[in-house]
Amino acid sequence: DSGVTQTPKHLITATGQRVTLRCSPRSGDLSVYWYQQSLDQGLQFLIQYYNGEERAKGNILERFSAQQFPDLHSELNLSSLELGDSALYFCASSVRTSTDTEAFFGQGTRLTVV
Amino acid sequence: GESVGLHLPTLSVQEGDNSIINCAYSNSASDYFIWYKQESGKGPQFIIDIRSNMDKRQGQRVTVLLNKTVKHLSLQIAATQPGDSAVYFCAERSLGNLIFGKGTKLSVKP
Repeated sequence: DSGVTQTPKHLITATGQRVTLRCSPRSGDLSVYWYQQSLDQGLQFLIQYYNGEERAKGNILERFSAQQFPDLHSELNLSSLELGDSALYFCASSVRTSTDTEAFFGQGTRLTVV
Repeated sequence: GESVGLHLPTLSVQEGDNSIINCAYSNSASDYFIWYKQESGKGPQFIIDIRSNMDKRQGQRVTVLLNKTVKHLSLQIAATQPGDSAVYFCAERSLGNLIFGKGTKLSVKP
């Protein structure tokens, strides 16, 4: 168990809908990262937060947004969903501002858009 | 458990043999290179890292080699066990972010 908790584990929704994925980092970790893992793209970095503030952005679509709350949990919001958004979404956490080489990953949320 | 189901290169080895998983990276400015292991239904798990000014680092049953001349990284697993069956990702740390490669699926035959 990595100590990172993601909910829900599975999510099935229709095109055009909006969903929220939740992540609780390891106790004491201030940084949270979101990754998307799809069949043909591998693990794609989406966005990083550190202590409530956005620190880095990767290949995140404008339809997607995230935030980190004062208790350090994070949410990834996906809107106007398309079939191509179906993927595994991972959250990872680490202690420091920049990405530690040892980021701890949750078990992921599998999103299926139908 | 769930399978990631990625269309990946596959390496099949006999239990007890050594495994070598290779990776090419792109950014000469990356300061760390890391190997992660992802078992079916789980998130990636850190295995070992190597700083860009090193060419070899050993862990428990694993060795990472870095060849900066050809931008190549490899992971050697000694005496491969069934529990080593997983997808292995190399990653490079560039501008503070972890950029992952596409992964190699390792299958261990008993």
